[in-house]
Amino acid sequence: GIQVEQSPPDLILQEGANSTLRCNFSDSVNNLQWFHQNPWGQLINLFYIPSGTKQNGRLSATTVATERYSLLYISSSQTTDSGVYFCAAADTGANSKLTFGKGITLSVRP
Amino acid sequence: SQTIHQWPATLVQPVGSPLSLECTVEGTSNPNLYWYRQAAGRGLQLLFYSVGIGQISSEVPQNLSASRPQDRQFILSSKKLLLSDSGFYLCAWTQYGRGRTNEKLFFGSGTQLSVL
Repeated sequence: GIQVEQSPPDLILQEGANSTLRCNFSDSVNNLQWFHQNPWGQLINLFYIPSGTKQNGRLSATTVATERYSLLYISSSQTTDSGVYFCAAADTGANSKLTFGKGITLSVRP
Repeated sequence: SQTIHQWPATLVQPVGSPLSLECTVEGTSNPNLYWYRQAAGRGLQLLFYSVGIGQISSEVPQNLSASRPQDRQFILSSKKLLLSDSGFYLCAWTQYGRGRTNEKLFFGSGTQLSVL
C-alpha cells in the first residue's frame, strides 16, 4: 500500500514564527488531507487537497501530486497551533482508504 | 450542519470484560463510517469501515468487531478485552456513502480506553 512520511517529526517554534511541514507519499493519490490533533485529542480536518493550493487564514497547503509531496504552511504561529499535524493519503485504487503518516509534533512557545 | 457524537470519553475496563463504544452522526444520510485506533504517541490505524447498514469491512484482524445497526450508528465491540486493546479510539465519517472515498474525513472526540 501507499507509504506516507512526514517531516520533521518534532518542531519547536517561538510564537509569531512561520513553519513548513512536509508530507511525502509513495504513489499517485486522489485523496490527501491534513489534520490537526489538539492536546485534548480532538482531530480537526484542515484541508482536503489532493492537488493545488488552498488557504484558510494563517494556514495554507500545497500538494504537488506529480512530485508526490504536500506542504502545510503555518504563518505567524500561535500557542493554540500546538499539537500534532497528520497528513493522510489514499492512492488511486477503487477502494483505497486513507493511510496516515506518523505525525509532526509542533510546540509553539509564548 | 453535520455533527458526530462518540461516547464515552474515557473508559477503564478490566482484562476479559466486554466492550461497547457507540458513535452516531447527525445531519447527513448514507455516510461512510470508520473506527480508528491511536496507540500512545503513534499514528492512526484504521480498524473497520462501513459503507451502509450491516456492511462492515475489517482492515486488521484482532479482538474487536464492529456493527452498523442503523444508517448513522456505528458500534465497536469486544467480547473479552485484552491489555493490548488499550488506546484512543476514534469514530469518523465521510459525507457520501456508497463506496465513494474521496471526501473529507471528520472525526469524533474519541474514547480513551484503558484495559487493566
